[in-house]
Amino acid sequence: QVTLKESGPALVRPTETLTLTCTFSGFSLRRGGVSVNWIRQPPGKALEWLARIDWDGVEFYNRSLMARLTISEDPPNNQVLLKMTYVDPVDTATYFCARELVTTSGTGYFDSWGLGTLVTVSS
Amino acid sequence: DIQMTQSPSSLSASVGDSVTITCRASQSIGNSLNWYQQKPGQAPKPLIYAASSLLSGVPLRFSGGGSGTDFTLTISSLEPEDFATYYCQQTYSVSMYTFGQGTHLEVK
Repeated sequence: QVTLKESGPALVRPTETLTLTCTFSGFSLRRGGVSVNWIRQPPGKALEWLARIDWDGVEFYNRSLMARLTISEDPPNNQVLLKMTYVDPVDTATYFCARELVTTSGTGYFDSWGLGTLVTVSS
Repeated sequence: DIQMTQSPSSLSASVGDSVTITCRASQSIGNSLNWYQQKPGQAPKPLIYAASSLLSGVPLRFSGGGSGTDFTLTISSLEPEDFATYYCQQTYSVSMYTFGQGTHLEVK
C-alpha cells in the first residue's frame, strides 16, 4: 500500500525558511518511472505544482518559484524534503506531496497523494 | 509555460444530469492530460490519465476525451457524490507541470 504524509510547521514568520517533509512508504523512489512532487493550494484557490524529484535524482521546479525552492531526498528514511526561502503571507496554503507514475504510454499522473499540511505565514 | 484554462469555472446541475467540463491548453500537449476530483478538506483524487484512460475503481459514468489542445471531462448521470471541484493537469512539459484553475460542480 502506497502512502505519503506531509509534515512541517503550521506557522512560519515572513522572510523565514519553510522546510516540509514528505514521508512515504510502499514504493521506492529508485524505481524507474516514479517521482515525488510537491503541490500547494491556497485557501479556496486552485492547485499549483511546485517541484518534482525523479527516480534518478533529477529535480524540476515551478519557474516562477524556482529561486526560492529546493527539493531533495533522504533515501534511507524514505523522505523527500522541500525548502522554501523568504516566505510571505501569500505562501499560506495547504502543501501536498504526491507520487507520480509514468505510464507505458509515456504520460505521467499523480496516483497517490498525502493528506496535506496547512502552513500559515504570519507575523 | 503551458497554461491550462478550464471552463466553466463553476457549474450547477442536478442528480441525474450529464455535464461536460472543458480544458484548453495554450499549446499542443498530445494526450498528456489528467483529471482530478477534489472534495473539501481532501486531497485530489485521480480520475483519468492520458486524456481518456479511466483509472481503476472510477465509475464508468466518468469519461475523458480530446487531444492536442482541447479536452473534455464528461460525467453522465450525476450521483450525489460527484459534486466536487475538478482539475485538469498537463504533464506534457516535463520540466513544468500545470493545473487548470478548477471547475466547481455544485447542486442546483
